[in-house]
Amino acid sequence: QVQLVQSGAEVKTPGASVKVSCKASGYTFNSHDINWVRQATGQGPEWMGWMKPDNGDSGYAQKFQGRVTLTRNTSISTAYMELSSLRSEDTAVYYCARMGLGGDPPFDYWGQGTPVTVSS
Amino acid sequence: QSALTQPRSVSGSPGQSVTISCTGTSSDVGGYNYVSWYQQHPGKAPKLIIYDVTKRPSGVPDRFSGSKSGNTASLTISGLQAEDDANYYCCSFAGRYTFVFGGGTTLTVL
Repeated sequence: QVQLVQSGAEVKTPGASVKVSCKASGYTFNSHDINWVRQATGQGPEWMGWMKPDNGDSGYAQKFQGRVTLTRNTSISTAYMELSSLRSEDTAVYYCARMGLGGDPPFDYWGQGTPVTVSS
Repeated sequence: QSALTQPRSVSGSPGQSVTISCTGTSSDVGGYNYVSWYQQHPGKAPKLIIYDVTKRPSGVPDRFSGSKSGNTASLTISGLQAEDDANYYCCSFAGRYTFVFGGGTTLTVL
């Protein structure tokens, strides 16, 4: 069965960076794009960007351009999201989500989420 | 991109039907037939329940249905059950591999 297992909760100080991992299993990692979505408490999800595991291509929401980097290690079927210059507004649960073949359906499987707290 | 607009809350009794709206613009909801809906229970990850406006993934009951008219998409849940009590989010493709989500609707089953 498809599973996306994310790394554990993080606590960071303002200005620091955070790197969250997302290990995929149960399907061919290279065949499905991985997207990242975050959700602050009581808010709707916010789309951050996409990454193609087969060639490493990526794209980001305008809001996060220059601050987020999406990468992968195909040998261990793991995707990564790194967010830099953290501020308190970045406190949220960060999710990785798989895209269906060809991007349809979108976000068909999700990781369990990684809480990130930014506080001085 | 601005978030899609959803009502904050809706409610219904078991067995009844409810409809949740999701309003965007011609650059997202109105421009593409790529609206999806997600159900989220507290402390859990979102779960895909509708995609491409009207399609249901396998395993999702046919009590859940989707539609779209112009810049507004809708999710209808018929025959409400206690387990439908959750938050619901719409999402739309917005061109050039970007997506926008709604602010969410809390469904209370009375």
